[in-house]
Amino acid sequence: QLQLQESGPGLVKPSETLSLTCSVSGGSINSNTSFWGWIRQPPGKGLECIGSLYYGGSAYYNPSLKSRATMSLDTSKNQFSLKLTSVTATDTAVYYCARRVLGGGYDYWGQGTLVTVSS
Amino acid sequence: DIQMTQSPSTLSASVGDRVTITCRASQSISSWLAWYQQKPGKAPKLLIYKASNLESGVPSRFSGSGSGTEFTLTISSLQPDDFATYYCQQYNTHNSYPWTFGQGTKVEI
Repeated sequence: QLQLQESGPGLVKPSETLSLTCSVSGGSINSNTSFWGWIRQPPGKGLECIGSLYYGGSAYYNPSLKSRATMSLDTSKNQFSLKLTSVTATDTAVYYCARRVLGGGYDYWGQGTLVTVSS
Repeated sequence: DIQMTQSPSTLSASVGDRVTITCRASQSISSWLAWYQQKPGKAPKLLIYKASNLESGVPSRFSGSGSGTEFTLTISSLQPDDFATYYCQQYNTHNSYPWTFGQGTKVEI
């Protein structure tokens, strides 16, 4: 059974960089049938895709983030990460990591981690 | 971005009711659509993928249909555990990233 777990600071100051890691257990992130993604949900609002990463290193980002997002894979630790630069209060959200398989939806999710941007 | 529009935004229903939620895409996404259920404080749960395929372990009272730009999620007989918010998501291709979600439909008593 695949399990995903987000980790990182719960509080980030405005203009700084938000850094999160997703640890994957029960399966390898080095899979040619899996996409690894970050999705966020501001309090009381809907879901927004931040980025998607394929095992070969190809990354796709939401243009609305204006190039502030960077994702990377660490196959040695079976983890993937997200960095979001120049954060503002509008980046306050629950951040989820998740897995998608080819042809399918996001079938495995982390529990989510609330990140608050505040001074 | 491909825009996904769900209707209704809120749905009041009773146990045993047949419930239908609609999702419309701003352009054709073939059958690349997923449905999720989310309860407060929890991560979304995948119910349906590729428009009509039931995810393993999901009760058969959930079903999905549609293709192109119009899709529906149907709950044949609403159960107490089904009161939640439901989201559709398109995942057409990487060329259509971001894989956008609908705004959600809250199913309440």
